Amino acid sequence: GENVEQHPSTLSVQEGDSAVIKCTYSDSASNYFPWYKQELGKGPQLIIDIRSNVGEKKDQRIAVTLNKTAKHFSLHITETQPEDSAVYFCAASNGAAGNKLTFGGGTRVLVKP
Amino acid sequence: GAVVSQHPSWVICKSGTSVKIECRSLDFQATTMFWYRQFPKQSLMLMATSNEGSKATYEQGVEKDKFLINHASLTLSTLTVTSAHPEDSSFYICSAGQAQGAADTQYFGPGTRLTVL
Repeated sequence: GENVEQHPSTLSVQEGDSAVIKCTYSDSASNYFPWYKQELGKGPQLIIDIRSNVGEKKDQRIAVTLNKTAKHFSLHITETQPEDSAVYFCAASNGAAGNKLTFGGGTRVLVKP
Repeated sequence: GAVVSQHPSWVICKSGTSVKIECRSLDFQATTMFWYRQFPKQSLMLMATSNEGSKATYEQGVEKDKFLINHASLTLSTLTVTSAHPEDSSFYICSAGQAQGAADTQYFGPGTRLTVL
């Protein structure tokens, strides 16, 4: 089955700096890679996703890159703000195999004002 | 768009009772719904996959007789924790898949905090 590893597990950045979270996956058949932000006591919120036919996607301060050959994808947050503080999860799924998401272990991001 | 609701948001019950949690996709018809549980400071653990009109598929180690799943329509799935015990206390989260190309996009509900006394 799919295995997703996520690094780092914690990340502390100064407000205004950039944050980068990296994930690797094992199943080359995976074709969908979402990123979720989870605040304390809430459900995960989809913030950006990328599909295997695209190498990069950007939405305002957030961008995701995908390297299918190396089987890794990354989340980039620029100009971080205190409200970006949360736990971020990467995930991978294969649409042809039931769309089950396999999650990384999560990254706790703290943006210091 | 793509809103998923859960009810209740929290519940406290006595040991031995059953608790039902509802998951609804409010503005789309879900292809599939998934149920997860999450322990503090941990990642999400998939419990089961739920499709309308068919039996749920449970992950290894999840007791299907304890965690009953009913998927009555394309917008509603329910999880019933039967004969709940303190070790069932957890954060339960559902997600609903929206068909978008080769792989569905999954949207999560706000979660239900279950505390069993």
